[in-house]
Amino acid sequence: GIQVEQSPPDLILQEGANSTLRCNFSDSVNNLQWFHQNPWGQLINLFYIPSGTKQNGRLSATTVATERYSLLYISSSQTTDSGVYFCAVHTGGFKTIFGAGTRLFVKA
Amino acid sequence: DTAVSQTPKYLVTQMGNDKSIKCEQNLGHDTMYWYKQDSKKFLKIMFSYNNKELIINETVPNRFSPKSPDKAHLNLHINSLELGDSAVYFCASSQQGAAGANVLTFGAGSRLTVL
Repeated sequence: GIQVEQSPPDLILQEGANSTLRCNFSDSVNNLQWFHQNPWGQLINLFYIPSGTKQNGRLSATTVATERYSLLYISSSQTTDSGVYFCAVHTGGFKTIFGAGTRLFVKA
Repeated sequence: DTAVSQTPKYLVTQMGNDKSIKCEQNLGHDTMYWYKQDSKKFLKIMFSYNNKELIINETVPNRFSPKSPDKAHLNLHINSLELGDSAVYFCASSQQGAAGANVLTFGAGSRLTVL
């Protein structure tokens, strides 16, 4: 089955810093989502981005489907950005596969 | 209005007991899922239902029995609970076959602790 790898596994940032999270996948995908799991455990959909670039406030994402990777950019990080960021891919059928996540801690 | 709602949010029980978690979605989606998140935060699909029909069963022990009475509801019943069943269980839904299809919307999760 498809493999989804996220890097880095852990990231500590000073408030105000920028960061890039990466998701590599081993096969073609129909769609790709980025989720943020906040410290209360809620899974929040950030982007649906099978290809191209999208922006939402301080966050943006780019997926290069032909090269099988996606990037999530966080600019001017805030303490509320802390949590786990997941990349999830859908290859057809009824299954969406998650990466292991990037654990982000933003220090005040 | 909550799009995907799960109950209960917390469940603490003894080994060997039977428990159920309920899930309802008001998004009009045709596909619902159960995911398990372990202590290392890894999210793994357990079941997928499309229009009340079981589509995916990811080698989950048969102590776990999902039931979908209609496409807006997907419940999870667990028999003879074991310590290793302790986890957070997430319900999700999506719509198949359209632009933007298979975009998952998650419930808030149900944290199960088996003592």
